[in-house]
Parts: sequence; structure tokens; C-alpha cells
Amino acid sequence: KAGVTQTPRYLIKTRGQQVTLSCSPISGHRSVSWYQQTPGQGLQFLFEYFSETQRNKGNFPGRFSGRQFSNSRSEMNVSTLELGDSALYLCASSWGQGPYEQYFGPGTRLTVT
Amino acid sequence: AQSVSQHNHHVILSEAASLELGCNYSYGGTVNLFWYVQYPGQHLQLLLKYFSGDPLVKGIKGFEAEFIKSKFSFNLRKPSVQWSDTAEYFCAVNAPVAGGSYIPTFGRGTSLIVHP
Repeated sequence: KAGVTQTPRYLIKTRGQQVTLSCSPISGHRSVSWYQQTPGQGLQFLFEYFSETQRNKGNFPGRFSGRQFSNSRSEMNVSTLELGDSALYLCASSWGQGPYEQYFGPGTRLTVT
Repeated sequence: AQSVSQHNHHVILSEAASLELGCNYSYGGTVNLFWYVQYPGQHLQLLLKYFSGDPLVKGIKGFEAEFIKSKFSFNLRKPSVQWSDTAEYFCAVNAPVAGGSYIPTFGRGTSLIVHP
């Protein structure tokens, strides 16, 4: 089985711009979660999508949004980028909506200048 | 809100030394516990998990963890580390929230360096 894929792998954006990141889960997985990873804060949960619906959301401002498509692929959008949004954004998929282990992608490294 | 604490942020060991990484969580109900590992240049991957049953769980590459409910702890151990264990280790807790779903909370990670 192919693993979780994320595109693009690297992005450089300017403050004020917006960005869209993409995630393709493992085939058959219906739940997709997004995380922000930074050296100081570790992994912080952004949101989870299951069956095209956002099920849970972390403590992030409304500039961070996402969606999930009928094929379980997911996108994450960050509007009005700030310097502090520079981070590794990880996508993880799991079989269902529950306490299942997650399978992580390689991440998208976002740098905001 | 639940939280996960990993007490050791950086650990440096020599090969063959024993390893114990601490993890404590704050949630009074039933939880599911995980340790994930991120080797240099690789994805985060599952090391081991605890859902129920025997509180001593074994994972890949000789790792094990013990769930002690009374201490809200899930410490990771390995009797003899190898250079290839150099990685970042994350403890994670899945706790239920209203509506039947689960929120995952990760610790900040422990960076382990093993000298040959």
C-alpha cells in the first residue's frame, strides 16, 4: 500500500499571502488529521476530517481551515500568513474515527518570509 | 483539556545503555496511549500502542512501555540502545470527547542521541 503523500514538500511564502497544502491518505483510510510541528511546541493538532466533515478542531485561529473530498483526500488552507506560521505541517490518516493509530506523511515545510 | 508531558527533552546515551523516557498525561478517564518515533529524515511512525489489557506492551525494535494508571504514566523503555535508535520520540494520548470522537494530544518530544 502506498503511504500518506503530501504536496508540495517545501513552500516559501510571503507574509499576507495564503497557501493550500494537499494530503492523500492511505487507500481505505477515511480519517485525515492535520498537525503543525515546530521545535518549540512539538506537534499541535489542527483538525480532523472524517467523511468530508470536520470532526474536531484544535486551538488555532480561523485563518487555518481545511476540507476533505469524497475520495478522502484533504486540503489545508492558511490565509493571511504570518511569520509564526513557519512550520512543518503533517498530515496523518487512520482507518476510522476513533482511537486508532495514525499514519503520517512526510510533511510540507512552510517558510514564511 | 488533556495534556501530555515528556520530562526528558534531550537524552544522550552510549550504545548498550538502558533507556527510559518518561510520559505523563492528564486525563482521568479511559485513554489510548501511543509512542511514535521519527528517525532522521523519515516520517513519524508508530512504535507501540496501548488500548487495554496487559499494561506492559511491546513494540518494534525491542521497545516496550508500561502503562501505570495510578500514576497517569506510559514510560518507554529499552534495555540496550543502539546507534540506530537515534531519533525523536513522541508520546501521544487519544482521549474521547463529546460526540464519540477522539482528540489526539502529543507530547513535545524527546530527542535521543546514541553515541556508538
